[in-house]
Amino acid sequence: AQTVTQSQPEMSVQEAETVTLSCTYDTSESDYYLFWYKQPPSRQMILVIRQEAYKQQNATENRFSVNFQKAAKSFSLKISDSQLGDAAMYFCAYRSFTRKSTFGDGTTLTVKP
Amino acid sequence: DVKVTQSSRYLVKRTGEKVFLECVQDMDHENMFWYRQDPGLGLRLIYFSYDVKMKEKGDIPEGYSVSREKKERFSLILESASTNQTSMYLCASSPDSYQETQYFGPGTRLLVL
Repeated sequence: AQTVTQSQPEMSVQEAETVTLSCTYDTSESDYYLFWYKQPPSRQMILVIRQEAYKQQNATENRFSVNFQKAAKSFSLKISDSQLGDAAMYFCAYRSFTRKSTFGDGTTLTVKP
Repeated sequence: DVKVTQSSRYLVKRTGEKVFLECVQDMDHENMFWYRQDPGLGLRLIYFSYDVKMKEKGDIPEGYSVSREKKERFSLILESASTNQTSMYLCASSPDSYQETQYFGPGTRLLVL
């Protein structure tokens, strides 16, 4: 069974600074997708970014980028130029061909003005 | 825009009651999921369905059942609610590919007294 570990229950960052959220996973599969989701307070969970396991290149979406290290089974999320609206709980997720997803426990990000 | 709606945002039930949580998606997605979200435990998959009348158990199916009679609707049933089922319940849907993101509903916060 796959496991996803987010070792930082809480993180904080100053507005306009950069923060990195950690995620590691364990799997014996070679083909899978990894996702970061954002859940703002009292709002719906939405996709931030996703990474295909067979792609070496790290995914980027505007201020969000990942550092994907397949051999190390690590998938961290970097948020640049942090904004107040980035405050949320962030979940790392693994999804395989079985269609099921495994989520980490989440990291609560606080953005300080 | 994909829309996933859940029948209630907040629900209060008594121990032993039968509880129905409904989820509807409007994007003709094949896959639908029910998760429960508890602090420090992330999202845990209860059941998912990859087609009408098809279902698969997730990681924590005990005490729950599901029904999918129509493609757009996926119901979670608590046959006899217990206090340890007090939680946030999230529904999600996705196209039938593990490459695709899941789209989440707003959640139902269930309190069982």
